[in-house]
Amino acid sequence: SQTIHQWPATLVQPVGSPLSLECTVEGTSNPNLYWYRQAAGRGLQLLFYSIGIDQISSEVPQNLSASRPQDRQFILSSKKLLLSDSGFYLCAWGRGTGELFFGEGSRLTVL
Amino acid sequence: AQSVTQLDSQVPVFEEAPVELRCNYSSSVSVYLFWYVQYPNQGLQLLLKYLSGSTLVKSINGFEAEFNKSQTSFHLRKPSVHISDTAEYFCAVSGDNYGQNFVFGPGTRLSVLP
Repeated sequence: SQTIHQWPATLVQPVGSPLSLECTVEGTSNPNLYWYRQAAGRGLQLLFYSIGIDQISSEVPQNLSASRPQDRQFILSSKKLLLSDSGFYLCAWGRGTGELFFGEGSRLTVL
Repeated sequence: AQSVTQLDSQVPVFEEAPVELRCNYSSSVSVYLFWYVQYPNQGLQLLLKYLSGSTLVKSINGFEAEFNKSQTSFHLRKPSVHISDTAEYFCAVSGDNYGQNFVFGPGTRLSVLP
């Protein structure tokens, strides 16, 4: 069966510090991978999606970036965090039936 | 372009009462429809989906949703809710088999009161 792991689960970072959130999928190959952000009291915002290694599309201009160094690994990064980057970050993978499967999320608080 | 509307941002309901969470979508192509549930501080879990076939789909915990093409709706219903159903519910639409055009609604917070 397929599983998706996301870490760290929570982190508190000062403004201007770097960020790295990691997501790994097991039990499938060549998945579509996604990063979403969920701000407090708001819906899901698609940040990045990837259909393959080094094939990443950005949906929202921001100071975040994504990389996919391996088929089943998806990393969300920032060189300098802003207060507005606080939120709940969700990684997901998708397959041919169109549905998405989500990780447990990473809660980021920028102070 | 696709879009999803969930008119009710919050729905309070008493335990054992019925509930309906509304979802309407717009799309120029055939769609796949989904309901996801999110419990506090957790990721989203697939509740049920419509891909093709019977327009009435059911989950293992008593929820059901009906795809209505003429009304472009996919409302979620449960005849009797439990305290444990308290969560955020997201309706979503995908326009192809690859999930690249996956669009979520803004969510409805269901609060089940004792």
